[in-house]
Amino acid sequence: EVQLVESGGDLVQPGGSLRLSCATSEFTFSSYWMSWVRQAPGKGLEWVAMIKTDGSEKYYVDSVKGRFSISRDNAKNSLNLQMNSLRVEDTAVYYCARLTGSTRDFDCWGQGTLVTVSS
Amino acid sequence: EIVLTQSPATLSLSPGERATLSCRASQSVGNYLTWYQQKPGQAPRLLFSDASNRATGIPDRFSGSGSGTDFTLTISNLEPEDFAVYYCHHRTTWPPMFTFGQGTKLEIK
Repeated sequence: EVQLVESGGDLVQPGGSLRLSCATSEFTFSSYWMSWVRQAPGKGLEWVAMIKTDGSEKYYVDSVKGRFSISRDNAKNSLNLQMNSLRVEDTAVYYCARLTGSTRDFDCWGQGTLVTVSS
Repeated sequence: EIVLTQSPATLSLSPGERATLSCRASQSVGNYLTWYQQKPGQAPRLLFSDASNRATGIPDRFSGSGSGTDFTLTISNLEPEDFAVYYCHHRTTWPPMFTFGQGTKLEIK
């Protein structure tokens, strides 16, 4: 069974940094584009970032450009999200998600990790 | 920027009834429209890609339809486990960006 397990969520002060990780198993990680999607408490879903199979292409939602960085380690089957200059509005559950072959849909999701930005 | 508008925001129905959820795009997205289901405390689950292609394991009481700007998710004969929040979603071709609708909460009447 495909598994995605996020970790690294925590309480952090505004302006701080945090690094999220997603450990994956039971699929060929290096063959799939991967993404991060977040959900603020009681709110809807928001796409955050996406990375190509080999890490050569990365895309971000405008609100995190220049602050967040997505990366991957295909040897370790892991996905990361480095979050700097965190803002209160970045508070959310962050999901790691696998993209389908078309790269238009997310077919597998982790359980999420909570990031709280507050003073 | 494409905006997806879902209606209604909340739909109150009883088990056994039929649910009709709408997603309208601000401009044509062809058939590139996806539906997800999310239950409280859980991650979203893929229901349909390309408007009407049912994902693995999704019961056939769920159906997706539409093209262009108007899309519908229909759930016939509602089961207790179907009460959840449903999101539509679209990825633009270039630059690649993903947009979600605001969601429709399907609640038990």
